[in-house]
Amino acid sequence: AQRVTQPEKLLSVFKGAPVELKCNYSYSGSPELFWYVQYSRQRLQLLLRHISRESIKGFTADLNKGETSFHLKKPFAQEEDSAMYYCALPDTGRRALTFGSGTRLQVQP
Amino acid sequence: DTGVSQDPRHKITKRGQNVTFRCDPISEHNRLYWYRQTLGQGPEFLTYFQNEAQLEKSRLLSDRFSAERPKGSFSTLEIQRTEQGDSAMYLCASSLAGTRNTDTQYFGPGTRLTVL
Repeated sequence: AQRVTQPEKLLSVFKGAPVELKCNYSYSGSPELFWYVQYSRQRLQLLLRHISRESIKGFTADLNKGETSFHLKKPFAQEEDSAMYYCALPDTGRRALTFGSGTRLQVQP
Repeated sequence: DTGVSQDPRHKITKRGQNVTFRCDPISEHNRLYWYRQTLGQGPEFLTYFQNEAQLEKSRLLSDRFSAERPKGSFSTLEIQRTEQGDSAMYLCASSLAGTRNTDTQYFGPGTRLTVL
């Protein structure tokens, strides 16, 4: 069965510092991976998906099949990046998404 | 706001009571999903509809849980004989079937259930 692991519950950085939120997965086949973000008192929303290879709000994520990772990166953190971040992938052959347990990013001034 | 809406936003009930939640998806979306999220965890899938057909159900969905989407638009999730372990945030999401392998799911604000 597929699994998504986000090893850090909390990541605290200072404004302007680089950020890397870790995500490792187990999946049979070619995975399609997502990062969702939840800002304080807002709903869960899609940040980016690896297939589109877009950079959203300065965040990027590269799928590394060898290391089964999909880490989220941003070179210079901003205070408004403070939020919960969830990595997710679809169940094999199904529509459901499997989410990691999330990482809270705190960007301090 | 034309996003996914859920009602109520909060529900407090006593153990053993039945509760029903409603989800209104984005109007043109034909797929609808229910997830449950407990403290410190990511959302966990419960069930999925395409139009009015319930196509996927998680093992988390015990026989006390039932979901419907009678006309392929809004959906309801009912929990019978609630237990304290049912306390969680219940999230609804919708998507539009397309050419992608996996649709982008748009989430509602959730219904927070507290069972006393």
